[in-house]
Amino acid sequence: DAGVTQSPTHLIKTRGQQVTLRCSPKSGHDTVSWYQQALGQGPQFIFQYYEEEERQRGNFPDRFSGHQFPNYSSELNVNALLLGDSALYLCASSLVGTNTGELFFGEGSRLTVL
Amino acid sequence: GDSVTQMEGPVTLSEEAFLTINCTYTATGYPSLFWYVQYPGEGLQLLLKATKADDKGSNKGFEATYRKETTSFHLEKGSVQVSDSAVYFCALSGLTGGGNKLTFGTGTQLKVEL
Repeated sequence: DAGVTQSPTHLIKTRGQQVTLRCSPKSGHDTVSWYQQALGQGPQFIFQYYEEEERQRGNFPDRFSGHQFPNYSSELNVNALLLGDSALYLCASSLVGTNTGELFFGEGSRLTVL
Repeated sequence: GDSVTQMEGPVTLSEEAFLTINCTYTATGYPSLFWYVQYPGEGLQLLLKATKADDKGSNKGFEATYRKETTSFHLEKGSVQVSDSAVYFCALSGLTGGGNKLTFGTGTQLKVEL
């Protein structure tokens, strides 16, 4: 049973560039959430996708956008990168309606902005 | 807004020692409370949870009790092992977020030595 997979695992960008991160949810899951984890901090909720639509959003600017595909996989896009966007980006999947708070996380994509 | 405060680490213990990691929260109403664990090189995974006051969550020898009167959810284990070395995150799921929008603490690193 494949868990949550994310790609790439590491990447380096420069300020002003754009980045796309990808996530495949755990088999059987239909909801994907994205979190940003800065060094030494806990994960912070960016947004959640279900049925290819953004359902909830945290306190992140519009530079952060996402997409969910019919196969439930998801992308996180960040435009006009800032140094402060350097972080571990975590994807988490779950099954709608369970609402138990049990999320299955991937290992993350570590983004470094120079 | 919702917030979680947990004790800073790192916490270093000898094997078989007693573990307590403190966690307190601020939230409207009665959130669900969680402990997630991040082992080296792995994604976050749910350790235990409690959904109402006085509930006790338990798993792998770890326990935490939902204390509404003190807004706390302290993690305890009677005898830690080297394999428990990891980063532990306290989290809550509030009224507005539903089960998929978690608010995390900053994490506490635990190191268990022989």
